[in-house]
Amino acid sequence: DIQMTQSPSTLSASVGDRVTITCRASQSISDWLAWYQQKPGKAPKLLIYKASILESGVPSRFSGSGSGTEFTLTISSLQPDDFATYHCQQYNSYSPTFGQGTKVEIK
Amino acid sequence: DVQLVESGGDLVKPGGSLRLSCVASGFTFSNAWMNWVRQAPGKGLEWVGRIKSKPDGGTTDYATPVKGRFTISRDDSKTTLYLQMNSLKTEDTAVYYCTTGIQLCSNWGQGTLVSVSS
Repeated sequence: DIQMTQSPSTLSASVGDRVTITCRASQSISDWLAWYQQKPGKAPKLLIYKASILESGVPSRFSGSGSGTEFTLTISSLQPDDFATYHCQQYNSYSPTFGQGTKVEIK
Repeated sequence: DVQLVESGGDLVKPGGSLRLSCVASGFTFSNAWMNWVRQAPGKGLEWVGRIKSKPDGGTTDYATPVKGRFTISRDDSKTTLYLQMNSLKTEDTAVYYCTTGIQLCSNWGQGTLVSVSS
């Protein structure tokens, strides 16, 4: 299985900060990468797919980039609603795998 | 709007069985590939398996930890997805979500909790 590693595991930031989360794949996955946002007690929500395409309705302060094995999720100006856990997922292989998650908490 | 509603989660003893259901609405269920994804308490997400739409063959695939123990099926007439879980282990304790999508998980249900403990 393709292993996905996110860093950092936890990130402390303030409203208005620019935030970047990294996701690395154990082998090339082209741009078959998605990002999800999950709030406590809730189901994940798809934010970005194919590494950089925003799902409909997702604010433009979210952006994704990368290809091959290294990917980033950037929030250009952190808003109160953005404090959550973010998960990356590769869907290049027949068996999709997720990263361990990055919790974005209030500094 | 797409709606997915899971049910069937419960407390079960190791070695026991459980069947989860996911009722879908708001889209053409018979054309959809469906997945089960789980999340152990305080942990990350883990893909469990998928079932293709019948037009695409209706076949199933499973993650290694559940292969041979879990079975995914669907009833398109009831727009319902199922997960039959046998020989349950303590490490199967998790919230189980059904999702739509081919590989990608576009829509998610609210989840149902399965606890495996003696």
